[in-house]
Amino acid sequence: QKEVEQNSGPLSVPEGAIASLNCTYSDRGSQSFFWYRQYSGKSPELIMSIYSNGDKEDGRFTAQLNKASQYVSLLIRDSQPSDSATYLCAVPTGTASKLTFGTGTRLQVTL
Amino acid sequence: GAGVSQSPSNKVTEKGKDVELRCDPISGHTALYWYRQSLGQGLEFLIYFQGNSAPDKSGLPSDRFSAERTGGSVSTLTIQRTQQEDSAVYLCASSLARTERDEQFFGPGTRLTVL
Repeated sequence: QKEVEQNSGPLSVPEGAIASLNCTYSDRGSQSFFWYRQYSGKSPELIMSIYSNGDKEDGRFTAQLNKASQYVSLLIRDSQPSDSATYLCAVPTGTASKLTFGTGTRLQVTL
Repeated sequence: GAGVSQSPSNKVTEKGKDVELRCDPISGHTALYWYRQSLGQGLEFLIYFQGNSAPDKSGLPSDRFSAERTGGSVSTLTIQRTQQEDSAVYLCASSLARTERDEQFFGPGTRLTVL
């Protein structure tokens, strides 16, 4: 089992809809979770971090964490074409807090 | 303030040559990470520096890869005798690294192509 798993997509949603991106992780002791957005040809950009069970909202983005189910998700409300990108879920591992990434979910927001 | 910077942005080299990639972290960030992103392998950790501690080299794929960090700031990743499978985007990230909650911020990356 991979340490961090995501569906590769593409996930296609119409403009204005809610995009739901999911991530599962294997280390039950994980405490921190990060979502990065990566546009084609660019480097990952941090968009959300979450540490506690429940929801964390930032603008159109909501991160949801359920440690019992080892599941973290990212919701994007009112999706825009500019949201079209690959979304990477990342979990720190080991004493160095090096990030282990999922393979990313490619989101396509259609007009 | 300035983010993480990397140079060069692109590097094309011939198989067997050595290359050096540079990373300048965010000012005040004591932790510096190198990652590699290639097709089919995703984004993978290479090496980690924290202050004056010994680096965590557990992600380096072979002894052709080495890195150093001088003065607790700028880091150089060196790949000796490059191979075609080394072609990838090499990403540097930095963080405050006080706890695992500290967020890592990435530089723009260096795209390495080995012919």
